[in-house]
Amino acid sequence: SQQGEEDPQALSIQEGENATMNCSYKTSINNLQWYRQNSGRGLVHLILIRSNEREKHSGRLRVTLDTSKKSSSLLITASRAADTASYFCATLTGGGADGLTFGKGTHLIIQP
Amino acid sequence: DTAVSQTPKYLVTQMGNDKSIKCEQNLGHDTMYWYKQDSKKFLKIMFSYNNKELIINETVPNRFSPKSPDKAHLNLHINSLELGDSAVYFCASSQVAGLGPQHFGDGTRLSIL
Repeated sequence: SQQGEEDPQALSIQEGENATMNCSYKTSINNLQWYRQNSGRGLVHLILIRSNEREKHSGRLRVTLDTSKKSSSLLITASRAADTASYFCATLTGGGADGLTFGKGTHLIIQP
Repeated sequence: DTAVSQTPKYLVTQMGNDKSIKCEQNLGHDTMYWYKQDSKKFLKIMFSYNNKELIINETVPNRFSPKSPDKAHLNLHINSLELGDSAVYFCASSQVAGLGPQHFGDGTRLSIL
């Protein structure tokens, strides 16, 4: 079954605005990660948050994790045209050898 | 320097053929993976390989087989290709026994005619 579900599926905002994407998952996790995928390219790791952490920052990115609700959010502040991409949350539920379980992604479009 | 590289980038072939996709990482990572991304952009783990231990996603047909000649390489062999195999295949690697971030290649777009 699908582990991660991103919401919304698509988001279009004006440059300079903040973008918020949400992710829900079903089972207990080791950590949760967010990735960006530009069209025709591979995934780029953005941020990792462990199950015992509640919030993490990296530059213009802020990730929160609520394990009681099995949900996470990714906030991109002061968006730029270059932020246009698909964003995926991924969960690690067991050991690292199990690989990541990805959600369906949010397609973010930043209008100049 | 490319961290995770896959070849070829595009692969167009006919049903029934056998093909291989190569993957190499120069990051010194100990775990490598193959993922499949379908036309709706959904990514699914196919295999992971760590210190000669292979973990296979039970949904992957046995026509797919990974082969690792050494720690830096994990190639994907596909026998008897079917229309449903059309997808983008990504190789990835990670250190810390897979508990850390994963580094992805740019993908191989496989199209079955």
